[in-house]
Amino acid sequence: EAQVTQNPRYLITVTGKKLTVTCSQNMNHEYMSWYRQDPGLGLRQIYYSMNVEVTDKGDVPEGYKVSRKEKRNFPLILESPSPNQTSLYFCASAWSDREAMGPYNEQFFGPGTRLTVL
Amino acid sequence: AQKVTQAQTEISVVEKEDVTLDCVYETRDTTYYLFWYKQPPSGELVFLIRRNSFDEQNEISGRYSWNFQKSTSSFNFTITASQVVDSAVYFCALSELWRDDKIIFGKGTRLHILP
Repeated sequence: EAQVTQNPRYLITVTGKKLTVTCSQNMNHEYMSWYRQDPGLGLRQIYYSMNVEVTDKGDVPEGYKVSRKEKRNFPLILESPSPNQTSLYFCASAWSDREAMGPYNEQFFGPGTRLTVL
Repeated sequence: AQKVTQAQTEISVVEKEDVTLDCVYETRDTTYYLFWYKQPPSGELVFLIRRNSFDEQNEISGRYSWNFQKSTSSFNFTITASQVVDSAVYFCALSELWRDDKIIFGKGTRLHILP
């Protein structure tokens, strides 16, 4: 089954304790992206990746890191989480065609990770 | 800079009524893509439609229809004969082909269909 998986689904942590949220897709998609969803703010892009070893900042990258060492995986790293990073996080992937590499096709979203930072 | 505005924060309609969700976008690019996604109460995000800037044909899929008008920079979504299962948050999104590889989402419209 084609899918994007995220782990963990729920996480409560404390300020400053490093954490990683994993994201994996089995569709061989080039494009992957992380979003956070907050009430009244919609979905905001944190980081995205066009392909392996290619990552770039979205609109709200502060306090986050990502890596793309393999095509299928795109982990989100919070080196020193703070309460303002309490949010619902979604990972997504999309295929890219030769003429248009990027978020120009349907995105497949993971189920979301609800993070609470105390 | 690219921008997506969904001015309707929340809408409530009675079942079987028609409802239109507005989406207005800003872009300086000539080639761009517009999307609608649905987020039901269960929380997952579901793709509904993609439209590129060169295709202004309106689209109908069952009870759903989309009206793309470049002249007003709008990409509105209409649900005909709404049903309770249509209750969800709906997001409009924009990506520009030549500027960068970001995608911008609107803040969403929460739609309540009342039985």
